[in-house]
Order: sequence, then C-alpha cells, then structure tokens
Amino acid sequence: DAGITQSPRYKITETGRQVTLMCHQTWSHSYMFWYRQDLGHGLRLIYYSAAADITDKGEVSDGYVVSRSKTENFPLTLESATRSQTSVYFCASSFRSSYNEQFFGPGTRLTVL
Amino acid sequence: AQSVTQPDIHITVSEGASLELRCNYSYGATPYLFWYVQSPGQGLQLLLKYFSGDTLVQGIKGFEAEFKRSQSSFNLRKPSVHWSDAAEYFCAVGGFSGGYNKLIFGAGTRLAVHP
Repeated sequence: DAGITQSPRYKITETGRQVTLMCHQTWSHSYMFWYRQDLGHGLRLIYYSAAADITDKGEVSDGYVVSRSKTENFPLTLESATRSQTSVYFCASSFRSSYNEQFFGPGTRLTVL
Repeated sequence: AQSVTQPDIHITVSEGASLELRCNYSYGATPYLFWYVQSPGQGLQLLLKYFSGDTLVQGIKGFEAEFKRSQSSFNLRKPSVHWSDAAEYFCAVGGFSGGYNKLIFGAGTRLAVHP
C-alpha cells in the first residue's frame, strides 16, 4: 500500500538498550522527519533529512541517531535508551520542502523501563 | 523567532453546534499555514493549508479556515460539529527558525463533542 508506515507500533525496552524505529514511505518524497510527541510539549523535531545521505539535527536530537541510505527509509536509533525517551514517535515526509505540507505515519509508542 | 499559539487547550461543544479553533502565529513574511487533526492513537492528518490567494480556504471533512494578516490569525471553523470530530487539532506555520526551515506546531487544542 502506498503511504508512510512505521514499525513497530509499540515497543517496550529497558534503560541502556539500543532501539531502532523504522520508517518507510512509498511516495519518493525527498524530505523525511522524526518527531516526538509528549504531553505539554506538542511535536518536537528530532532529526530531518533533505535527501538520501543528507541528515541534520532538530531541536531535541541528543541521544538519537539517524541514517538515510535509501530515499524511502529513515530509521531512528536510540543508542542507549533512557526513561526520558519514553514518548510517541512520528515519522513524516514532504515532497517539496521542510516547511511545506508533511504526511505523517501512524506513530510508534515507545516505553523505556 | 517564529511561533504558533493555540490559546485553547481544551474545547467542548455539543454535536451540531458550530466550532471555531483559534490560531495565532508570529512570522515576518507571508507564511505557509496548516491545520492538522490527530484522532486518538493515530498520526496527524492534514485538514487544510494556506499558501497564497483567497484567504478563506476549504478543507476536508467540512472544515474551513480564514487567514487574517492584520490579526496574524488562521482560525479553523466548522458550521456543524459531528461526534467523529472529537480529536486534537494542531495549527502549524512553515518558516525559518533555529537555523533551518521547518514546520512549527502549536501545542494543540483537544476537542470534545457532547451528544
């Protein structure tokens, strides 16, 4: 199916473990984004990518790593998970630019114990 | 710096009543403006957008929004709310902030609909 998908939808892990959240889009959009959504903070940008092999930090990038070897995939890795990274993570993509219409995935709810 | 303010955290309306959700933005140039809706457990879905031209824009699900430059506002309206409209609504502005171009989201307004 066309669109943007995220996996897993739910994940429970322990402090200190490495976790990778996957994001895949079928539109060949150039731009992809990772956000986290927390109560009281709304959506905060973690990382974004303008094209394959081009990534840059957002406002809350500490503790996260991204890669983008293919246009359609944009995985987000928590190198050593902490309780403060418990959140709902959304991946998004955009055809035109980083400040234009974005299409969102369904989200991954991550709990770090 | 660019910012988006949604003054109402929670709003409750009766089914069939009209709705207006407020959004104020701070941006130096003509902004790109968006309204997104998030149903429980779902991602964000675009309701409508404004780039230029007619200041009254129509969106999906019977929503509309009006861009008022003099008031720096982009309020979302619906003439008759349905129970399925209960969700969280986010206003966003596209702009340059913190060293890069991005969408800047408001904190959201949670809408409850009474039968």
